[in-house]
Amino acid sequence: QKEVEQNSGPLSVPEGAIASLNCTYSDRVSQSFFWYRQYSGKSPELIMSIYSNGDKEDGRFTAQLNKASQYVSLLIRDSQPSDSATYLCAVGTIGGYQKVTFGTGTKLQVIP
Amino acid sequence: DAGITQSPRYKITETGRQVTLMCHQTWSHSYMFWYRQDLGHGLRLIYYSAAADITDKGEVPDGYVVSRSKTENFPLTLESATRSQTSVYFCASSVGEGSEQYFGPGTRLTVT
Repeated sequence: QKEVEQNSGPLSVPEGAIASLNCTYSDRVSQSFFWYRQYSGKSPELIMSIYSNGDKEDGRFTAQLNKASQYVSLLIRDSQPSDSATYLCAVGTIGGYQKVTFGTGTKLQVIP
Repeated sequence: DAGITQSPRYKITETGRQVTLMCHQTWSHSYMFWYRQDLGHGLRLIYYSAAADITDKGEVPDGYVVSRSKTENFPLTLESATRSQTSVYFCASSVGEGSEQYFGPGTRLTVT
């Protein structure tokens, strides 16, 4: 059983701070890694994809991947109240029935 | 460009009735997926399809049936609805194995 683990939170940060969201995964052959944002009552929205070790930046978002430690993280700089949502980590592999496995999500609250 | 749509958005049905949830995508993505999302469980894969006429079971397939006669459509049928199938159902699509998935807006199903 492939597993993706996230702290359920809530993670509370003040407006303007850096929010750090973490995710670990169990399948060593995982090849693709995604972060989704899900507002309450809405569907998951893809915000970042990362495939190689290291950092990938997109605006205020930075995804970090360490395959040796089986760890992926999402940093949100200058957090805004509009960033308040649940963030889902997802891990993909090629082969097997579970192409992409989702974590249960971390709830982020940005306090004005 | 509508992307991926689901219908109905809300449905209330009675135990024992057959219900079909529709999913339509305009991207010509090969892969399509059905998930259910429940508190405490996150997203759980019900069925997926790699192409027209190719479908396979996910993590929680019991009580559900799918078909995919056309690339763009992937209906999910609950043959005899049970209260345990009360959930939010998301359809998603992706271009390939282990790739980014894009979600529809969801269907909130209540079985009374």
